[in-house]
Amino acid sequence: GQQLNQSPQSMFIQEGEDVSMNCTSSSIFNTWLWYKQDPGEGPVLLIALYKAGELTSNGRLTAQFGITRKDSFLNISASIPSDVGIYFCAGLNSGGSNYKLTFGKGTLLTVNP
Amino acid sequence: DGGITQSPKYLFRKEGQNVTLSCEQNLNHDAMYWYRQDPGQGLRLIYYSQIVNDFQKGDIAEGYSVSREKKESFPLTVTSAQKNPTAFYLCASSSRALGAGNTIYFGEGSWLTVV
Repeated sequence: GQQLNQSPQSMFIQEGEDVSMNCTSSSIFNTWLWYKQDPGEGPVLLIALYKAGELTSNGRLTAQFGITRKDSFLNISASIPSDVGIYFCAGLNSGGSNYKLTFGKGTLLTVNP
Repeated sequence: DGGITQSPKYLFRKEGQNVTLSCEQNLNHDAMYWYRQDPGQGLRLIYYSQIVNDFQKGDIAEGYSVSREKKESFPLTVTSAQKNPTAFYLCASSSRALGAGNTIYFGEGSWLTVV
């Protein structure tokens, strides 16, 4: 199946720093979702994006749906230790099934207190 | 509490045995999904069900089987035909087709180890 290119694979930052990660695809998506997963748990939805150019915030998190519909980014401002985890992007391909999300491989975030 | 409940959380299986993972949701969602997660990999879709008594193969259905006899339940059987079954399995649901304001929600996962 299709994969999203998510980068970076991992990040090690100091508490208080801002973080940015992104996902790109060669095909057009009509939905972008960002999830956070703690070790041994299921992913939790952070932000959902449904329109090209859409910029949405959720507390210290901000995500954007790229204008080309082939990319999305997630920013975390003023990171704190509980931000540690794996962040996944997921997209719904405009030409595919409305039940089949494509997932990136994740960005592992470590925050040093 | 409303949500998606997976059981068991941890399961050990001998090679050659079938095992069934349970998934129950009380969100009144029509659609349910099973994903597999391996270290360093994204989630891969095993099966999904749009509605009761219907299910479709995902990207990696070989060696797995499902049933959807009730709206709230979508059990996954990992058969002995699955060559590399050790993984973290995630069940999910959505109220209807994804997109247009509708998203997917996950259970807490089940760890399967084949010994």
